[in-house]
Amino acid sequence: DQQVKQNSPSLSVQEGRISILNCDYTNSMFDYFLWYKKYPAEGPTFLISISSIKDKNEDGRFTVFLNKSAKHLSLHIVPSQPGDSAVYFCAARRNDYKLSFGAGTTVTVRA
Amino acid sequence: EAGVTQFPSHSVIEKGQTVTLRCDPISGHDNLYWYRRVMGKEIKFLLHFVKESKQDESGMPNNRFLAERTGGTYSTLKVQPAELEDSGVYFCASSHGGHYNEQFFGPGTRLTVL
Repeated sequence: DQQVKQNSPSLSVQEGRISILNCDYTNSMFDYFLWYKKYPAEGPTFLISISSIKDKNEDGRFTVFLNKSAKHLSLHIVPSQPGDSAVYFCAARRNDYKLSFGAGTTVTVRA
Repeated sequence: EAGVTQFPSHSVIEKGQTVTLRCDPISGHDNLYWYRRVMGKEIKFLLHFVKESKQDESGMPNNRFLAERTGGTYSTLKVQPAELEDSGVYFCASSHGGHYNEQFFGPGTRLTVL
């Protein structure tokens, strides 16, 4: 039972443009959402998060938007840089430690 | 400060054999987690230790999987006997106490069962 879904397995974007990654979830009990970034042969690293009481969180070039009524969140990367090429995982959790991940979106930033 | 380390980085075994994966968390982290990613799908939670105690093992697939964390330091995950569907990347993560503290992930062990 996959509770977090990333329906786009890949995304290609030109350097300098905006990357938009989408994530949907089904469990209304989730109260904290995270994005992780993963390079090949490395583990996922935390990128940005948002609590369910907010609808936007910004950190430099990265902004996460949360639409609770639609059970949808998105990650915006502006401007996209070649070093942003990686797999991005959406994750969520309830009031516990267990993270539920999506399947990931592979982002390729073209020069 | 050293990050989470995992050994081996890659293991290839035959069906029916036994494999033991090891994870060394960041020093001082009481929380240790195991996750698995199969065939490019989602990363799935396996279990959670707080020090040496299993806090939640709801994600363990079956009784062929045994996790231990003796002394509350490093952890091992044993698969015995291994089956084809056990192939995947096994990630370990650790964190300080507290629900919203960041989980730091290791590089993973890629397990291939032939």
